[in-house]
Amino acid sequence: DQQVKQNSPSLSVQEGRISILNCDYTNSMFDYFLWYKKYPAEGPTFLISISSIKDKNEDGRFTVFLNKSAKHLSLHIVPSQPGDSAVYFCAASSSDYKLSFGAGTTVTVRA
Amino acid sequence: NAGVMQNPRHLVRRRGQEARLRCSPMKGHSHVYWYRQLPEEGLKFMVYLQKENIIDESGMPKERFSAEFPKEGPSILRIQQVVRGDSAAYFCASSSTGQGAYNSPLHFGNGTRLTVT
Repeated sequence: DQQVKQNSPSLSVQEGRISILNCDYTNSMFDYFLWYKKYPAEGPTFLISISSIKDKNEDGRFTVFLNKSAKHLSLHIVPSQPGDSAVYFCAASSSDYKLSFGAGTTVTVRA
Repeated sequence: NAGVMQNPRHLVRRRGQEARLRCSPMKGHSHVYWYRQLPEEGLKFMVYLQKENIIDESGMPKERFSAEFPKEGPSILRIQQVVRGDSAAYFCASSSTGQGAYNSPLHFGNGTRLTVT
């Protein structure tokens, strides 16, 4: 039962443009959402998070938007840089230590 | 400022052998979590441990898998009599508190890639 879904396995964007990654979830008990970034042969690195009491959280070039009614969140990266090329995982938690991860979206930033 | 250390990075085992994966948490972290990533899938929770205690092993397969986090030394994920379906990347994470994602996002190691031949 895949509770967190990332329906786009890959995304290609030109350097300097915006990258938009999408994530949908089914469990209405989720109240905390995170994005992790992963390079090949490395572990996931925490990027940004958002609590369900907010609809937006911004950290530098990264912004996460949450639409609770649609059970949807997105990650915006502006402007995209070559070093942003990686796999991005959406994860969700329901007030405990367990994270449910999506399958990931591979972002490629073209020069 | 060492992060979460996992070893070995790569492990090859034949069917029926045992696999031992080790994880040393970040300095000051006493909460350890193991996740498994199968090919083309996201990470899936396996087990949560504190020193000398298993807090939650609801994600562990019922047979052949066990985990420990002794008072001294690293956490160990042990897989007995490995099968090809056990081939995956196994990630360990640690946190400073066990109060969930709010207070301390998980810090992951670089993983152990297990290949069963």
